[in-house]
Amino acid sequence: DQQVKQNSPSLSVQEGRISILNCDYTNSMFDYFLWYKKYPAEGPTFLISISSIKDKNEDGRFTVFLNKSAKHLSLHIVPSQPGDSAVYFCAANGRDDKIIFGKGTRLHILP
Amino acid sequence: DTGVSQDPRHKITKRGQNVTFRCDPISEHNRLYWYRQTLGQGPEFLTYFQNEAQLEKSRLLSDRFSAERPKGSFSTLEIQRTEQGDSAMYLCASSLMGLAAQETQYFGPGTRLLVL
Repeated sequence: DQQVKQNSPSLSVQEGRISILNCDYTNSMFDYFLWYKKYPAEGPTFLISISSIKDKNEDGRFTVFLNKSAKHLSLHIVPSQPGDSAVYFCAANGRDDKIIFGKGTRLHILP
Repeated sequence: DTGVSQDPRHKITKRGQNVTFRCDPISEHNRLYWYRQTLGQGPEFLTYFQNEAQLEKSRLLSDRFSAERPKGSFSTLEIQRTEQGDSAMYLCASSLMGLAAQETQYFGPGTRLLVL
C-alpha cells in the first residue's frame, strides 16, 4: 500500500518553461513534506520542504504547493534548466520519524 | 562542509558471503538512517538511530541484517549470508532532531551492492 504516490514516471519539459511534478499521499498523519533530487549513482539531494501548516514554500526557482484537503503537493521549477534533468522524489514525514518516499518522477529538460 | 559519506561506493560479492558497509554522518547530527533503494523504487526505510540507540527496525530488515552505531557517530550495516535479492543501493542519511518536530534528512552517495 503506497502512502506516497508519484503517478508520472517521467516528464519532458522544454528548457526555459515550467516543470510541474505532482505527488499524492494517503496518510493524513503526515505533517512534513520534502522533495529530493537524484542523479544516477548518487544519493538523493534535499531540495525543498513544506510543513503542513503552510500551503506554499518558495526557494529560488523551486516552489512547493500543498493542498491538504486534496492530499496533494506539487513542485514547480521555473525556468527549467538542463541541470534539472534528474529523478525527483516526493517524500512525507509523520510523527513516527520515518520518511516515506514515492517512486520518483524522471524529469527530462529538452534543449 | 563535509556531508554524509559512505564506504565502499560499490561492492560485488558472491552469494553467501558477509558484507559490511560504513556510514559517517554529518558531524553534529544525532540521527542516522539506513535505507535501501531498488530500481524503479524510492528509498525504503530500514532502520534508524538516535545517538547510539537503535530506535526502530523495518520488517524489511531480516535477521541477516544488523546495524550498529556504537559511539553515536559512524554506523555500520552488516548483511550476513548475502542473497541475490539483497542487490540494491544502500543509502545512509543523517539529521539533527531538535525541538522542532520536523527534520530534514541529508543523504550520502550510497553503496551499490551486487550479489552474484
